[in-house]
Amino acid sequence: KAGVTQTPRYLIKTRGQQVTLSCSPISGHRSVSWYQQTPGQGLQFLFEYFSETQRNKGNFPGRFSGRQFSNSRSEMNVSTLELGDSALYLCASSLPSGGAADTQYFGPGTRLTVL
Amino acid sequence: TQLLEQSPQFLSIQEGENLTVYCNSSSVFSSLQWYRQEPGEGPVLLVTVVTGGEVKKLKRLTFQFGDARKDSSLHITAAQPGDTGLYLCAGPFSGGSYIPTFGRGTSLIVHP
Repeated sequence: KAGVTQTPRYLIKTRGQQVTLSCSPISGHRSVSWYQQTPGQGLQFLFEYFSETQRNKGNFPGRFSGRQFSNSRSEMNVSTLELGDSALYLCASSLPSGGAADTQYFGPGTRLTVL
Repeated sequence: TQLLEQSPQFLSIQEGENLTVYCNSSSVFSSLQWYRQEPGEGPVLLVTVVTGGEVKKLKRLTFQFGDARKDSSLHITAAQPGDTGLYLCAGPFSGGSYIPTFGRGTSLIVHP
């Protein structure tokens, strides 16, 4: 079974631009979560989508948004990029058991650099 | 403020040594998970502990969940270079809904 895939793997943008990242979950997984990982803050939860609806949201500004399609693929968008948005963005998928300890399967991430 | 504090932050040891990394919180967690992340990859789940006092073993790795479910430890026996990576603990923080919360990780390097 193919794992979680994320595209692109690397991205360089300039301040003020916007960016869209894509995530394809493991087949059959309906929950997709997004995380930001930086050396200073570690891994921080952005949001989770389940059946095309945002189910949970972390403490990030509205510039960070996402969506999920009917095939469970997900995209996240960051508008008006800031230097501090440079990070590894990770996507994780899981089965919809509804539990707080669902096993999440992570993709390799998209490395975003904002200049 | 980090809900999950991990220590040490960095660890550099020789092959064959034993080590323990810690994950502590002032909050009670219904469960805790340990992940390992290798460079250029996403985290991979190693274990989930759900019962206070629980001990789980995964080959040379031993995981323990504190009795009060506020802390956890990971002990590696006879470390090998293949154990090199970033070890992360994570738990669902309940602030109305469950938000996955990660510690900042322990970066382990095992030298041959």
